[in-house]
Amino acid sequence: GNSVTQMEGPVTLSEEAFLTINCTYTATGYPSLFWYVQYPGEGLQLLLKATKADDKGSNKGFEATYRKETTSFHLEKGSVQVSDSAVYFCALSRRDDKIIFGKGTRLHILP
Amino acid sequence: EAGVAQSPRYKIIEKRQSVAFWCNPISGHATLYWYQQILGQGPKLLIQFQNNGVVDDSQLPKDRFSAERLKGVDSTLKIQPAKLEDSAVYLCASSLDAAEANYGYTFGSGTRLTVV
Repeated sequence: GNSVTQMEGPVTLSEEAFLTINCTYTATGYPSLFWYVQYPGEGLQLLLKATKADDKGSNKGFEATYRKETTSFHLEKGSVQVSDSAVYFCALSRRDDKIIFGKGTRLHILP
Repeated sequence: EAGVAQSPRYKIIEKRQSVAFWCNPISGHATLYWYQQILGQGPKLLIQFQNNGVVDDSQLPKDRFSAERLKGVDSTLKIQPAKLEDSAVYLCASSLDAAEANYGYTFGSGTRLTVV
């Protein structure tokens, strides 16, 4: 079946460091891929998405590229801030189907 | 536009009691989802509605969980009787239609349930 695997956390970085959170997926066909973010005490927010191979989603300095050949959708940011501390979820969906989430990666940014 | 509204924000109950959660989706959104997020895990779909009909409830523990979406707008999720392992955040989400899942959908802030 369809599934998402992302790197386990927590990930702890210093402010202005480079961030990569790895995500790989298993799915038939061409799913859409997402990164959601959950700040402390809040609900899930869509951070970025890509709907076809080689698409790059970007938002708030975060980027992820849909790599069909490696079935990956790694999240990157060039310079993280303390305010980026949150839990990040990689997810996928097939057309007309539910969104399936990974287990989440907790990110701590130290000032 | 107003977001997805959920209430209550927090609920503490004893095991074997019953509890109900309410969700009001974004106006005009035909598809509504209930997800369960256990601490340290990703959200898991419990039930999906299209208007007032159930599309997917394959992972809903039907012996204790029930959900309805009367008139295709608001929805209520009920647990009766609750177990300790039901402690989780219950998230409601909505989208214009099921195809919109391909573009992501909007989540509410969730209801945090603690069963003691």
